[in-house]
Amino acid sequence: IAGITQAPTSQILAAGRRMTLRCTQDMRHNAMYWYRQDLGLGLRLIHYSNTAGTTGKGEVPDGYSVSRANTDDFPLTLASAVPSQTSVYFCASSDSSSGSTDTQYFGPGTRLTVL
Amino acid sequence: GQNIDQPTEMTATEGAIVQINCTYQTSGFNGLFWYQQHAGEAPTFLSYNVLDGLEEKGRFSSFLSRSKGYSYLLLKELQMKDSASYLCAVLDSNYQLIWGAGTKLIIKP
Repeated sequence: IAGITQAPTSQILAAGRRMTLRCTQDMRHNAMYWYRQDLGLGLRLIHYSNTAGTTGKGEVPDGYSVSRANTDDFPLTLASAVPSQTSVYFCASSDSSSGSTDTQYFGPGTRLTVL
Repeated sequence: GQNIDQPTEMTATEGAIVQINCTYQTSGFNGLFWYQQHAGEAPTFLSYNVLDGLEEKGRFSSFLSRSKGYSYLLLKELQMKDSASYLCAVLDSNYQLIWGAGTKLIIKP
């Protein structure tokens, strides 16, 4: 693994189904993030984690949950998918330790369609 | 509220120079980032400014004026591969990144 990986690459999901998007990084970054990107709206933060064992809510957290059991993995779960959750989802990570620039590095994204 | 403004779309000619502006109003400031995003791909890091002035990196330069809440990304000797969206983002007082909607740059031969 080099950098950040996400799975699946794309998914079509029936409304009401549960779905987990996976994200793994090998850079030993302490902070990780989940964004959604919709046309014309830019990147919107869903949830974040500053370190393993802690998570926080971003701008649009409703309908999503996350966990951070270890440094490398940060899965995003949609408990009961709705069509408005159709979007491209990006996972990112950064070194937010003292003295760093907090530069975020992104995974390749998951394109999710909820019908 | 917090706000990042950048033009929605710009067009430029191959070989020319283009400047993409970004103005921001945020609660605090801990740095400004520029990212490039090709269609269907993830954003990739271009530059970081935390002090006033110009940072040059090859054909790309980024400028910051904290007193004016203003930055620009300057792209020289434009190539067709520079056709992409360019995202401006500010790290606020809580160390959260606030993102602009992005500027779609179209390069014409």
